[in-house]
Amino acid sequence: QVQLQESGPGLVKPSETLSLTCTVSGGSVSSGDYYWSWIRQPPGEGLEWIGYIYYSGTTNYNPSLKSRVTISVDTSKNQVSLKLTSVTAADTAVYYCARDSRGYYDSTGYYSPWGQGTLVTVSS
Amino acid sequence: AIRMTQSPSSFSASTGDRVTITCRASQDISSYLAWYQQKPGKAPKLLIYGAVTLQSGVPSRFSGSGSGTDFTLTINCLQSEDFATYYCQQYYGHGTFGQGTRVEIK
Repeated sequence: QVQLQESGPGLVKPSETLSLTCTVSGGSVSSGDYYWSWIRQPPGEGLEWIGYIYYSGTTNYNPSLKSRVTISVDTSKNQVSLKLTSVTAADTAVYYCARDSRGYYDSTGYYSPWGQGTLVTVSS
Repeated sequence: AIRMTQSPSSFSASTGDRVTITCRASQDISSYLAWYQQKPGKAPKLLIYGAVTLQSGVPSRFSGSGSGTDFTLTINCLQSEDFATYYCQQYYGHGTFGQGTRVEIK
């Protein structure tokens, strides 16, 4: 079955760029049936969708983060990547990647499966 | 953005109980509604999508209902492994989640 695994630095300094990679196994990011989404969860808080990418490179971002987010796909490596610039302590969270079922029109869908998540702490 | 409001935020229950969690959308989302279960330190797990469709492998004691703006997750005969936090999520617009409902052991 499809499995996702996030990887990247666990500690990022304020004002720097957070970079994470999601490696997909048991399935292909080139599947036209799905988007690939990033979602985050600050410690003890709820879930926030960050954005998605389609295998073609089409992206869609949460308007609240759009100016700082870039999501890319590497079909040869079966990976999806996230970059978040100018981070602050408010960006401290567990970051998840997830397969996205595609929703109404070009909206994100429901998410399954999810990666295990990776905690990124923003601190000097 | 579409806002999702869950109630209650938390409650205590006993194994064997029937429990109900509600989720209200700030606008009509038809049936574009999913429910997730999250246990401490783990990723959320999809339980229900399309408001009523049980994800493969999820026990039948879980069920969903509703459409439009008002939705319900019901767990019949609560089991020990069901004590967790539950989130609703709409996917009519860009995905937004409810704030979560924590189900604790009484």
